[in-house]
Amino acid sequence: EAGVAQSPRYKIIEKRQSVAFWCNPISGHATLYWYQQILGQGPKLLIQFQNNGVVDDSQLPKDRFSAERLKGVDSTLKIQPAKLEDSAVYLCASSRSGTNSYEQYFGPGTRLTVT
Amino acid sequence: AQSVAQPEDQVNVAEGNPLTVKCTYSVSGNPYLFWYVQYPNRGLQFLLKYITGDNLVKGSYGFEAEFNKSQTSFHLKKPSALVSDSALYFCAVRDGGTGGFKTIFGAGTRLFVKA
Repeated sequence: EAGVAQSPRYKIIEKRQSVAFWCNPISGHATLYWYQQILGQGPKLLIQFQNNGVVDDSQLPKDRFSAERLKGVDSTLKIQPAKLEDSAVYLCASSRSGTNSYEQYFGPGTRLTVT
Repeated sequence: AQSVAQPEDQVNVAEGNPLTVKCTYSVSGNPYLFWYVQYPNRGLQFLLKYITGDNLVKGSYGFEAEFNKSQTSFHLKKPSALVSDSALYFCAVRDGGTGGFKTIFGAGTRLFVKA
């Protein structure tokens, strides 16, 4: 089966600009996650969708970050305006729903550099 | 609140020797535990999980992990290390009780296997 797709792979922007990342999960996976991974740290969950509903966005900086998952498939994560501290790799992951199906499958990530 | 700790930033082992990467966790309910591996310039890959059942779980590439409830640990092990095992390893925990849907990742342990 095809894996999780993400684009772009790399992005360089100046602070105060906006940026958007796209993710296409594995077909049939109901749960979609966006993580932020800062260099030297583990992934930090930003937002988790179950189909097209949000189940956790407690660590999403809502004043500048937004995410949507229309039709319960693709998802977009936006940052507006970007800050220097947003420089990180943004990972998208998906997983099946159902009992014991909690392992996540990750995309290659988008490396964001804010200058 | 749930948490996970990987006490070693780096583990060095000679090829052919056994390896252990340590992980301890804290959750209020039943722990769902995971190990992921990140190779250079590649996304995170699922290795193995513990949800319930036998305390010793086997995963990909000859890795296994032992769930120890009394010590709240889930150490990753392999009987004979390969140079190709050199990578960044992340332990993750999800609260299977009333802790919500979030998966928390550790900071990661870099494994170096020397030929």
